Parts: sequence; structure tokens; C-alpha cells
Amino acid sequence: SYELTQPPSVSVSPGQTANIACSGNKLGNRYVCWYQQRPGQSPVLVIYQDKLRPSGTPERFSGSSSGNTATLTISGTQPMDEADYFCQAWDRNTVVFGGGTKLTVL
Amino acid sequence: QLQLRESGPGLVKPSQTLSLTCAISGDDVSSNNAAWNWFRQSPSRGLEWLGRTYYRSQWTTEYAVSVRSRIFITPNTSRNHFSLQLSSVTPEDTAVYYCARQPGTSGTWFDSWGQGTLVTVSS
Repeated sequence: SYELTQPPSVSVSPGQTANIACSGNKLGNRYVCWYQQRPGQSPVLVIYQDKLRPSGTPERFSGSSSGNTATLTISGTQPMDEADYFCQAWDRNTVVFGGGTKLTVL
Repeated sequence: QLQLRESGPGLVKPSQTLSLTCAISGDDVSSNNAAWNWFRQSPSRGLEWLGRTYYRSQWTTEYAVSVRSRIFITPNTSRNHFSLQLSSVTPEDTAVYYCARQPGTSGTWFDSWGQGTLVTVSS
């Protein structure tokens, strides 16, 4: 079965840039989206189709994808961005999620 | 504004059937422009897609391989909701269950999620 791999944790200082990677075989050939999940809350879509932002997603969030890796980038990270982030793609009519990355802003 | 709300028992005994409903407001379960999905999340299994139902001149339902033998997802057009039934549950099915909308006819993302409901499988 298809797998998406994320680092368990990423740390960033406020105002700096955070990069969260998601890797999978030929991931660049699939659309990737990203969700933010704060403790006790449901996932919120922040990026879809690799790089598009839904209305309501701050401009500091961006996405890219190429080869085997998709990346979520948060520029000028704010304390409110501290959360878990999940990447998601499809494989043969099945939804696949990465294991999630805990972003710590300190 | 779309809102989804899960409801159902928070405690289910092993071997019994878990039943949840997702109430939709702000959209239509019969929409030709959406699909309606169930997910669950637990520390051991992470975020897991369970299945979906959608209408495109007829109803289609698709399930994850991991639960295909014991899951049903059914739409209810009169009440504008859709339901999840998962039979023969074990403690491994303990999780927070979410419903979510997949927009469009070919969208690969989920743009609106319910608040989630915790289901514990225990005797």
C-alpha cells in the first residue's frame, strides 16, 4: 500500500520559516493537500492541489511538490501556527495520510 | 456556511455495531458536486479514511480495504444526513470519528470537517 512519510516533529522560532516535508513514491505525480490540527480540534485544510490556499488560509502558508517530496512552508511563523500538520494524497481510490508532524514554535 | 455534526453513542461493546450519523447543514447530501466521507483518528492508527458516498445520477459508495468487510455508509436524503455503521467492533476501533465533505466532482481534498465524536469500544 502507498505510504506518506513525515518527520514527527519540527521546531521553529517565531518569525522564522518552517518547512514540513512529506515523502512518497513519485508523490509529485499526485495532488497533495495539507491539514492543520490544533489539540482537541478537527483538521482544517490549509493547502490543496499542492499549492492552492483555501479562503481563510493566511498567505504565509505555501506548498510545493516535486519528485518524491511535497513541502508545506510557513513563512514568518507565528505562535498560533503551533499544531499538528498532516499531508494527504490519493492512491487507487483510497485516501492516504502522512503520520503527522508536530510543529513547535519556540 | 457548511456545517457537519457527528452524533451517536460514545461507548460500544466489543462485537457490537458502531453507528454514527453526520448531519449536514449548508449543503445537500444529494449534491452532484460533493462526496461525503467518514474518517477516524487514534494514536495507534493516525488519521484513517473509512469510506464515502456520493450521488452522480445514482448513488455510489466506496470503502477502505481495511474495513470493507464490516462497514456500511448510507445517505438519508429526507433528513439530509449520512450514516456510518461498523460491525464487529474491537477495542482497536476506539477512535475519534469525523465526517467531512469532499467538494466537486474530482476534488482530492476535504474542505469541511465535523467536530468529531469519540467512540470507545469497551465492555
